[in-house]
Amino acid sequence: DGGITQSPKYLFRKEGQNVTLSCEQNLNHDAMYWYRQDPGQGLRLIYYSQIVNDFQKGDIAEGYSVSREKKESFPLTVTSAQKNPTAFYLCASNPGQRNQPQHFGDGTRLSIL
Amino acid sequence: GQNIDQPTEMTATEGAIVQINCTYQTSGFNGLFWYQQHAGEAPTFLSYNVLDGLEEKGRFSSFLSRSKGYSYLLLKELQMKDSASYLCAVPLDATNKLIFGTGTLLAVQP
Repeated sequence: DGGITQSPKYLFRKEGQNVTLSCEQNLNHDAMYWYRQDPGQGLRLIYYSQIVNDFQKGDIAEGYSVSREKKESFPLTVTSAQKNPTAFYLCASNPGQRNQPQHFGDGTRLSIL
Repeated sequence: GQNIDQPTEMTATEGAIVQINCTYQTSGFNGLFWYQQHAGEAPTFLSYNVLDGLEEKGRFSSFLSRSKGYSYLLLKELQMKDSASYLCAVPLDATNKLIFGTGTLLAVQP
């Protein structure tokens, strides 16, 4: 079955460490997105990519980086510059059409050690 | 600016009907999405409205009034499994970037 796979489900980061969250989709979708969700808040957009080898900053990109070398993959790196990384991270994809819903992965919960 | 408002929490009784409201202010309008999210899980798509009126899909219906910047999600014959957060979201532009409301946490009681 087609879908979006995020890994790992839980991740712990030490101070000063960079960590990478994986997001893979086999839906053949052009667009992919990364969101951050904090308790009591809605989803906030970190980065998005409309096409391979191109990506754009969202509303809260500071302290994060991404790459889009393959259509299927959109990994997110949480760098040591992100001082408050504890959150639930969600990856989504979309065929690239405005009236189509975004499909979400199951999320990665990142915590500080 | 862009803004979406939803009530933070609601409580309803099993078997009853509940209406979850969403108001939005955006520079343009490209439709409105409703998602359901159970605690610790991914949001799942419920409905999409781009024209005024009511869209019915089983126990769930969604209404849109573009002139009022207003939508609601109507849940009928509530079940315990409907306890979840309900997220209202609008695309900002042709890139389909979504801006989300904070979500409404619905608690269904026996």
